[in-house]
Amino acid sequence: DADVTQTPRNRITKTGKRIMLECSQTKGHDRMYWYRQDPGLGLRLIYYSFDVKDINKGEISDGYSVSRQAQAKFSLSLESAIPNQTALYFCATSEGRNNSPLHFGNGTRLTVT
Amino acid sequence: GNSVTQMEGPVTLSEEAFLTINCTYTATGYPSLFWYVQYPGEGLQLLLKATKADDKGSNKGFEATYRKETTSFHLEKGSVQVSDSAVYFCALRMNTGNQFYFGTGTSLTVIP
Repeated sequence: DADVTQTPRNRITKTGKRIMLECSQTKGHDRMYWYRQDPGLGLRLIYYSFDVKDINKGEISDGYSVSRQAQAKFSLSLESAIPNQTALYFCATSEGRNNSPLHFGNGTRLTVT
Repeated sequence: GNSVTQMEGPVTLSEEAFLTINCTYTATGYPSLFWYVQYPGEGLQLLLKATKADDKGSNKGFEATYRKETTSFHLEKGSVQVSDSAVYFCALRMNTGNQFYFGTGTSLTVIP
């Protein structure tokens, strides 16, 4: 979905390095999410934000932090990357209505060596 | 708790075959249900949705019916094409708390 843009698309980094993944959206949605995808495990929620002043942990937030800089921007940081954080990361947005779907970016493939 | 269970893959079909991917859910309340498709190298795209019991979602020849009595939302297509090769995810969104829950995905390969 071109309305949700993630950068970079691919990143290789070394253990212990700090890395930031960025997400911006033009859909005007208040709600933004970060998910991680691993083979056989589906998608797991890392963090989510319902507006600029609201940040919530998901099921696997350890080792990650986020910043909601504006309604349209939501970044994910790995303060000290480790190899088991190698995964495909997705940003998503949604409206607040109960039956609204998630809209995903194209993902960032992160490799930690 | 809330969860989604979908059939494990991978699934391999010949072109024009009938497709069913099973999805069942557990939810405390009345969720909205979704099917997403993920093509190689891309993010998840919404394929179809249903928001209440007996609703049928449909798109691009795919269909799924929200069955409250069997807590199911099976994805079907009458005649698959090579271009349908992708990973399919079933998901639900709770009306309270607004959390989304995803199945683990089912990989489909359609061979000519």
